[in-house]
Amino acid sequence: QKEVEQNSGPLSVPEGAIASLNCTYSDRGSQSFFWYRQYSGKSPELIMSIYSNGDKEDGRFTAQLNKASQYVSLLIRDSQPSDSATYLCAVGPSGYSTLTFGKGTMLLVSP
Amino acid sequence: DAGVIQSPRHEVTEMGQEVTLRCKLISGHNSLFWYRQTMMRGLELLIYFNNNVPIDDSGMPEDRFSAKMPNASFSTLKIQPSEPRDSAVYFCASSFGQSSYEQYFGPGTRLTVT
Repeated sequence: QKEVEQNSGPLSVPEGAIASLNCTYSDRGSQSFFWYRQYSGKSPELIMSIYSNGDKEDGRFTAQLNKASQYVSLLIRDSQPSDSATYLCAVGPSGYSTLTFGKGTMLLVSP
Repeated sequence: DAGVIQSPRHEVTEMGQEVTLRCKLISGHNSLFWYRQTMMRGLELLIYFNNNVPIDDSGMPEDRFSAKMPNASFSTLKIQPSEPRDSAVYFCASSFGQSSYEQYFGPGTRLTVT
């Protein structure tokens, strides 16, 4: 069974710090990796996608992928209180197989 | 651009009643996903359509649940009869291309069955 594991948190960081969110997955055939942000009472919002080993940067967000270790992470630089949310990791193989979501890590950024 | 549209946003019904949830895909997208989210189980995929054809319905809990995609832009998820354990937030998501591509979620329907 395909599994995606995340620490449920909460992960508490002060404003301006770097938040590091981690995710491990069980299916070695996985080819696509996504990070979604979900505010309380709202729907998941896609914020990053990564398909190759290494780092991908988009503004204050950096996604890191290590397929050999079956590990994907999300770094948020200069964390803001508005970043407080649950972050969901989603993993999928290529083709007509579906994404598997982790249960999410709650991030709390204190002013 | 309009995102994924879901209706109703909230639904309260009594056990045994039929519930129909609706979803309109983002224009140009051809894959449609129905998810259910609860605190205990997280986000669970119920069913996935590609080009109007159901590809994977292994997540549909039981025969009480059914989903249709009568045209390329619209889908319904029906629960008949509803039970209290069906209470959850139901999300619809769409993507362009295959299931492993980027999915965009609608605002969800919060279903409460009493």
